[in-house]
Amino acid sequence: SQQGEEDPQALSIQEGENATMNCSYKTSINNLQWYRQNSGRGLVHLILIRSNEREKHSGRLRVTLDTSKKSSSLLITASRAADTASYFCATDASGTASKLTFGTGTRLQVTL
Amino acid sequence: DADVTQTPRNRITKTGKRIMLECSQTKGHDRMYWYRQDPGLGLRLIYYSFDVKDINKGEISDGYSVSRQAQAKFSLSLESAIPNQTALYFCATSDPAGVPYNEQFFGPGTRLTVL
Repeated sequence: SQQGEEDPQALSIQEGENATMNCSYKTSINNLQWYRQNSGRGLVHLILIRSNEREKHSGRLRVTLDTSKKSSSLLITASRAADTASYFCATDASGTASKLTFGTGTRLQVTL
Repeated sequence: DADVTQTPRNRITKTGKRIMLECSQTKGHDRMYWYRQDPGLGLRLIYYSFDVKDINKGEISDGYSVSRQAQAKFSLSLESAIPNQTALYFCATSDPAGVPYNEQFFGPGTRLTVL
């Protein structure tokens, strides 16, 4: 069964707007990671937040984690057409990515 | 990621055929994984291997088998393919002693269609 459930399943915004996607999970974690997948291609790691962290930034990405609610959010600011992709959260109980459990993903479409 | 390669990239086969998907990596990682992706279901783990002598079943191993021929090679076999195994298959690697130690690196995927 999936550890992470993401919403929305699909999101369509205009270039320059912010995109927020959410992930909920079920069990204890060491960290939570976000990956990006361009259409039909392999996943690429974006950012990781540890269970003792509440917020993390990387460029236009901002990730938050609320372990009490078992939820995380990924914010992409000032979106670009090139951000069009699917985004997946993945939970890691081990701390060494030895067994990630992926969410169902959010499809983001950024239009000009 | 060019460091993790998968062959073939696309395959169409018929029900009952035996199929092998291959994964090779030049990252020097000990840990390798096979996932399948279906629309709306994210990625689900089929098998994983922490070294050449270690093979473990994942969430959905029924109907699949694997072989770890070397540190760099991890193959996934469908002994008798069925239509509901039509999916996108990904290989991934990780290295708990490397930098970074806590993320996985994915191949480009193999699109398998079983008729």
